[in-house]
Amino acid sequence: QLQLQESGPGLVKPSETLSLTCTVSGDSITSDNFYWAWIRQTTGKGLEWIGTIYHSGSAYYNPSLNSRSAISVDMSKNQFSLELDSVTAADTALYFCTRQTCSSSCNFDYWGQGTLVTVSS
Amino acid sequence: QSALTQPPSASGSPGQSVTISCTGTNSDIGGYFYVSWYQHHPGKAPKLLIYEVSKRPSGVPDRFSGSKSGNTASLTVSGLQAEDEADYYCSSYAGNNVWVFGGGTDLTVL
Repeated sequence: QLQLQESGPGLVKPSETLSLTCTVSGDSITSDNFYWAWIRQTTGKGLEWIGTIYHSGSAYYNPSLNSRSAISVDMSKNQFSLELDSVTAADTALYFCTRQTCSSSCNFDYWGQGTLVTVSS
Repeated sequence: QSALTQPPSASGSPGQSVTISCTGTNSDIGGYFYVSWYQHHPGKAPKLLIYEVSKRPSGVPDRFSGSKSGNTASLTVSGLQAEDEADYYCSSYAGNNVWVFGGGTDLTVL
């Protein structure tokens, strides 16, 4: 059974960089047709897709984040990571890592339980 | 403000049906048949319920159904059960390798 587990600091200061890691177990991060994504849930704004990466390194990002986000893959550890620069209070959210399976369409079919990140001084 | 608009809440009694709407634009819901729905019980991992507007992954009960008309997609939960009380989110492909979500609907089983 595929499992995803988010990890990282729960508190980040304004203007600093938010860094999170997702550890994947139960399958290889290099499997074909599987992409890996970060999604966040903010209070009152629902879910927001942050970005998606393939194990080759090809990545796609939400343009509304103004190029502040970067996602990377560590195949040796079966992990992928998120960095979000210049955070503000608006980046306070529950961050989920997900698998995005692409066949006829791309869908977020496995999710972690999420990790809460608060931006505050 | 979320890209897709959902009612913040919905409710129904056990055994009844409830429909949750999700409104977008010609650039997302109206432009593609790539609408999906997710169920989220707070504190747990969200679950994919519907993909490609109306398809159900293996294991999802047929009480859950999806449809689309123009720029609006809908999720119908039939035969409501207590365990269906959760948050429901819609999502759509928006072109150029971008995905958008709705603000979520809190479903209460009365």
